Amino acid sequence: GAVVSQHPSWVICKSGTSVKIECRSLDFQATTMFWYRQFPKQSLMLMATSNEGSKATYEQGVEKDKFLINHASLTLSTLTVTSAHPEDSSFYICSARDSTGGHQPQHFGDGTRLSIL
Amino acid sequence: DAKTTQPPSMDCAEGRAANLPCNHSTISGNEYVYWYRQIHSQGPQYIIHGLKNNETNEMASLIITEDRKSSTLILPHATLRDTAVYYCIVRSINAGKSTFGDGTTLTVKP
Repeated sequence: GAVVSQHPSWVICKSGTSVKIECRSLDFQATTMFWYRQFPKQSLMLMATSNEGSKATYEQGVEKDKFLINHASLTLSTLTVTSAHPEDSSFYICSARDSTGGHQPQHFGDGTRLSIL
Repeated sequence: DAKTTQPPSMDCAEGRAANLPCNHSTISGNEYVYWYRQIHSQGPQYIIHGLKNNETNEMASLIITEDRKSSTLILPHATLRDTAVYYCIVRSINAGKSTFGDGTTLTVKP
């Protein structure tokens, strides 16, 4: 149980295009989902917390107009990297926690490797 | 959330127990200890979590000291596939997010 599916697993696109990444909780409902970014040989950095039906909460230094987050249902959150540039190339990982909350752990997707040419 | 400190790297012989320490000396009473691991180029995998009692599941055991200021993740019989970065995270039930430190890179050697 507790499977989080992330799609696509990798994407290569030209500078200036927008890229959408989907994160789905397959066997549980997630009121809250999280988006992380990871650069090579570094740890995961939290970008934003996505709340179903409301606006996302962004971490300091993360541009909300650059990284658009939508969490329209209890099983789906999307991250759109708008007008992507080479410096946005990274490994993006989503996670979700069961809506029952409390001390439930987060479960992670397998990540999306984004390369901007 | 409380900050955690882990050794940057550890080695373990295949078949032996791997004991990964984590220091969380500023942990609060309502904060849980969570362990995740990340195998190269994959998303983190949840391993185990606990509050104050020792916990065991099919993957590992978690030993939390009585004062809760440190914990140890034990992989009883390490295999080559256990080579990964292991992250110890402390989070309260009221906090939504989990903050990752640098973790411990465990290398299991034949």
